[in-house]
Amino acid sequence: GAGVSQSPSNKVTEKGKDVELRCDPISGHTALYWYRQSLGQGLEFLIYFQGNSAPDKSGLPSDRFSAERTGGSVSTLTIQRTQQEDSAVYLCASSLSASSTNEKLFFGSGTQLSVL
Amino acid sequence: QKEVEQNSGPLSVPEGAIASLNCTYSDRVSQSFFWYRQYSGKSPELIMSIYSNGDKEDGRFTAQLNKASQYVSLLIRDSQPSDSATYLCAVRRNRDDKIIFGKGTRLHILP
Repeated sequence: GAGVSQSPSNKVTEKGKDVELRCDPISGHTALYWYRQSLGQGLEFLIYFQGNSAPDKSGLPSDRFSAERTGGSVSTLTIQRTQQEDSAVYLCASSLSASSTNEKLFFGSGTQLSVL
Repeated sequence: QKEVEQNSGPLSVPEGAIASLNCTYSDRVSQSFFWYRQYSGKSPELIMSIYSNGDKEDGRFTAQLNKASQYVSLLIRDSQPSDSATYLCAVRRNRDDKIIFGKGTRLHILP
C-alpha cells in the first residue's frame, strides 16, 4: 500500500477484555516495529519483526502482550485481559530492512486504545 | 541513565531565530541517529538522519553528531511557527537493531 495502515484507529474496551491491533506495512518493507506512546510521553519500544521473526520480545510490557507477523506482511498485536494502564496510542512503523543501518521508519496513524 | 535523553522543554524560540535541540545516548557503538518531528495528535515523521561525525544540512535543518561525546543535535534556522512540534531523537542500537526513541523536546516558535 501507499503507507502504513493501522486498524482500528480507535478502540474502547472494558478492563479484562482482549484486544487485537492490526498493522499493514508498506509493500516491500521487511521490518515492522511496534511502539506505545502514552499521553505526553515518548515512544516506548515494544517489539520488532524482521520478516516473520521477532528477535527480541523483551520490550513487551507483560506476558499479556503478544505479537505475530505472518507472510512477512501484516502484524497483529494482541493484549489479553486489558488493564487501564494499557491505555495509549499504539504505533506501528515499517522500514525496508531492520539490519540496514540507514533505514528509516515510516509510521502509521496509530491505534488509540482506551481501557475503561 | 536512559538510553536516549532529551530535555522535555518546552523550548520557546522567537520566529526567525535558530532553534537548537539536543540529545545524548548511552550506547557507545550506535551508528545511526534520527530526528523525527511529531505534531500534536499525529504520528512521527522523519526529518533528518545522520551516521557520521560532523554536520549534515538539509534546507533549514542541520543535524550534528559527535560520537566521542555521544551527542546529537538538531538546528533549525529561520524558525517558523509551523516548526512548533515535539522533536524526537532516535538511535539504532547496533547489537540488536532496535530503534530507541527519547521522550522528545517540545518546541514552540513564538510569532
